[in-house]
Amino acid sequence: DVKVTQSSRYLVKRTGEKVFLECVQDMDHENMFWYRQDPGLGLRLIYFSYDVKMKEKGDIPEGYSVSREKKERFSLILESASTNQTSMYLCASSLRRDSNQPQHFGDGTRLSIL
Amino acid sequence: GESVGLHLPTLSVQEGDNSIINCAYSNSASDYFIWYKQESGKGPQFIIDIRSNMDKRQGQRVTVLLNKTVKHLSLQIAATQPGDSAVYFCAENISGDDKIIFGKGTRLHILP
Repeated sequence: DVKVTQSSRYLVKRTGEKVFLECVQDMDHENMFWYRQDPGLGLRLIYFSYDVKMKEKGDIPEGYSVSREKKERFSLILESASTNQTSMYLCASSLRRDSNQPQHFGDGTRLSIL
Repeated sequence: GESVGLHLPTLSVQEGDNSIINCAYSNSASDYFIWYKQESGKGPQFIIDIRSNMDKRQGQRVTVLLNKTVKHLSLQIAATQPGDSAVYFCAENISGDDKIIFGKGTRLHILP
């Protein structure tokens, strides 16, 4: 089974802090994704990556950046956290581009910005 | 707006009955469809997928039906159990596009 592991289940930070959310997958997947999930808004794509050191903006990249230094790890960075970034953050991975394969998700990080 | 949607935000089903969760999609170019289950406090879990060259696909207690004519997708769960309580999402993808478009989800509530 694919295992996508997010480093924290719950995180509380203060406005203005720099926040790092970490995600690791163990199946040698090429694609990795970061979403946020909010009530009534569903899953929204923040950034994704299809290769090491490659990144693509999703639908809501503002206020976020990402890092993919190794194939198995994809980090989401909140450069200066704001209260409107309080959300559930979900990481996902999929096998490779153009493969018609499902994305597999971690269990999420519930982030609160005070 | 969403190109993948759901007819009902909440579905209540008696334990032991079959559940049918519906989904409409608007992009006729979509050729790959996925159903996910999300339990409280967990991430979405892959259930079953189907490609556009198929009308039906079966898994363990689940069946996905695809009607391309009316752009409709459904998930059938046989003999619904308490453990099936969750939010179910459909999602669509176009070959060559890395992104998947998710619907907002249907909450399945199991009545004892």
